[in-house]
Order: sequence, then C-alpha cells, then structure tokens
Amino acid sequence: DTGVSQNPRHKITKRGQNVTFRCDPISEHNRLYWYRQTLGQGPEFLTYFQNEAQLEKSRLLSDRFSAERPKGSFSTLEIQRTEQGDSAMYLCASSRGQGVYSYEQYFGPGTRLTVT
Amino acid sequence: AQKVTQAQTEISVVEKEDVTLDCVYETRDTTYYLFWYKQPPSGELVFLIRRNSFDEQNEISGRYSWNFQKSTSSFNFTITASQVVDSAVYFCALSEAAGANSKLTFGKGITLSVRP
Repeated sequence: DTGVSQNPRHKITKRGQNVTFRCDPISEHNRLYWYRQTLGQGPEFLTYFQNEAQLEKSRLLSDRFSAERPKGSFSTLEIQRTEQGDSAMYLCASSRGQGVYSYEQYFGPGTRLTVT
Repeated sequence: AQKVTQAQTEISVVEKEDVTLDCVYETRDTTYYLFWYKQPPSGELVFLIRRNSFDEQNEISGRYSWNFQKSTSSFNFTITASQVVDSAVYFCALSEAAGANSKLTFGKGITLSVRP
C-alpha cells in the first residue's frame, strides 16, 4: 500500500513564473486536500476535492492558484505569476470520505517552493 | 469559526522523562473530530490519532496516551518515557462535521526536543 506521493519535492522559481505541482493520493481514497505550510506554522487548508469535483476553496487561494483532479485520481496545483509570498511547503493529503464522517488524512512529503 | 490553540511552542526534556503536549480547541459544532500529527525533521506529517466528539474515552497506544475532555475543550497528548526519536513538531488539528469536507484546522505546533 503506497502512500501519498508529491512531485517535485523542491522547486525554485523566479518571481513571475508559473509552477505546477502534482499529487498522487492513496489509490482507494476519494477525498484529496491541498494545504500550505509556512515556517513555524501549522498547515493551512487551501482546497478540497471529492472525486473529481472541487468542493471548497479557501480564501487563501487567490485567482493565481488553480487546482484540478481530472479523473478523480491525481491532482495538480498550479500557481501563476508566482510571488515571493508564495514561498512555502505545499502539502497534499488524501482520505476516505463518507458523508460528514471525518476520516484521518494521510499526507505526502510536500513540495517546497522557493520564489526568488 | 473553528480554532486550535497550542500554547506551548517549544519543550525540551531529557530522555525517559514524561511530557504532556497541550491542545485547546474552539468549535460551535456538536460533532467534530480531533487529531494529532507528528512532523519529524524529515518533514512528512504522520497521523497519530483521531477522536470524535462523542467518544471521551482516553486512549493509550504504547508510550502514547491521549486525554480528551469536552468540559475544558482540551485534547492533550502525553508521551511516557520519552525517547530521542520522539523529537519532532507535534500538531493538534480539528475538523467539523457540519462542513462535510473534513478540512483540518491545525494549531501552530509544539516543537519537542528529547535530549539523550
């Protein structure tokens, strides 16, 4: 049983460039989450998918951010016109989902983004 | 709005000491879930425990134990006979059932250092 994987693990980009991250969840999990973690803080929720449907986006997710989960399997998170404030660890998590019941989320190793 | 407070920021103990990590939460929901995650220096968040609001039984798993008290909105975590490998950042998190998306709200984390 493989865990959640994320690629790339590290990304250094110049301000203004676009970047895309990929997350592959645990195969039988229908829920997928993106979080952002900055130094010294806990992860903050960005967006959530149930199967291929994006059901919630945080106010943290500006118009420059877009996420997809085209076939209800892997997901991508794209940041356009990156800014230095986007520098953070981007975490993906997946879980089972059944109505309002909250199962534990399993996290990937994260993608560390540095915007220079 | 939901909130998790981890008032302790850093704790340092000597190996074999017991240590308790505090977590206080706020929620208006009557059905909610509480979690603890460990983030070792490698960076990947590791799930430790999930508790739902209807189950106030304390739980013990090896050297780990958790004390859930709804009356004080606390969900504290005790490590008995700490070991160097317990050194990590520990996060308490909350999800509410009402949102039906199970997004996690994390505290800021507690950095635990266990010295040999």
